[in-house]
Amino acid sequence: AQRVTQPEKLLSVFKGAPVELKCNYSYSGSPELFWYVQYSRQRLQLLLRHISRESIKGFTADLNKGETSFHLKKPFAQEEDSAMYYCALSGPSGSARQLTFGSGTQLTVLP
Amino acid sequence: NAGVTQTPKFQVLKTGQSMTLQCAQDMNHEYMSWYRQDPGMGLRLIHYSVGAGITDQGEVPNGYNVSRSTTEDFPLRLLSAAPSQTSVYFCASRTGAEAFFGQGTRLTVV
Repeated sequence: AQRVTQPEKLLSVFKGAPVELKCNYSYSGSPELFWYVQYSRQRLQLLLRHISRESIKGFTADLNKGETSFHLKKPFAQEEDSAMYYCALSGPSGSARQLTFGSGTQLTVLP
Repeated sequence: NAGVTQTPKFQVLKTGQSMTLQCAQDMNHEYMSWYRQDPGMGLRLIHYSVGAGITDQGEVPNGYNVSRSTTEDFPLRLLSAAPSQTSVYFCASRTGAEAFFGQGTRLTVV
């Protein structure tokens, strides 16, 4: 069974401070990992995915297969980063493509 | 391009009533799914479909039915509403890696 764990329900940091949102997963095989974000009163939307190795809005995430982790990081948090963040996992292309979400982390960036 | 459209946005039901949450997408995606979002539990998969005529159960399917007669539409039916079904419901469609979500339906069962 595939599982995603986000250990922090709430996370508060000050503007300009580094932020790291933790994500661990369980999957027998090579999954695809994603971070989705939900800003207040907006739809859930894709932030980034591990296969593209990109930086979006200053956020990066590295897949660590040894530690089965996919932590989201940003060196200098901004107030507009305040949102709910979900880590998600799916099987690789061609396999069952159910997207499994973690329980989410509510990030608050304080002024 | 409308993307994924869910109706209604808000609904209050009495225990035992039935209703259908509508979901439509105009992106010609084969894969569609329904989630419920509850505090502290994230998004849990209710049902999903990999194409017209094909549906399957997710993590929490009890009390819900789905059908997929067309590529565009994927309605979710509550057969006999219970207070435990009070939640925010999200429909999503997906191609490849990225999932696109509707704006959600906030359902309260009293």
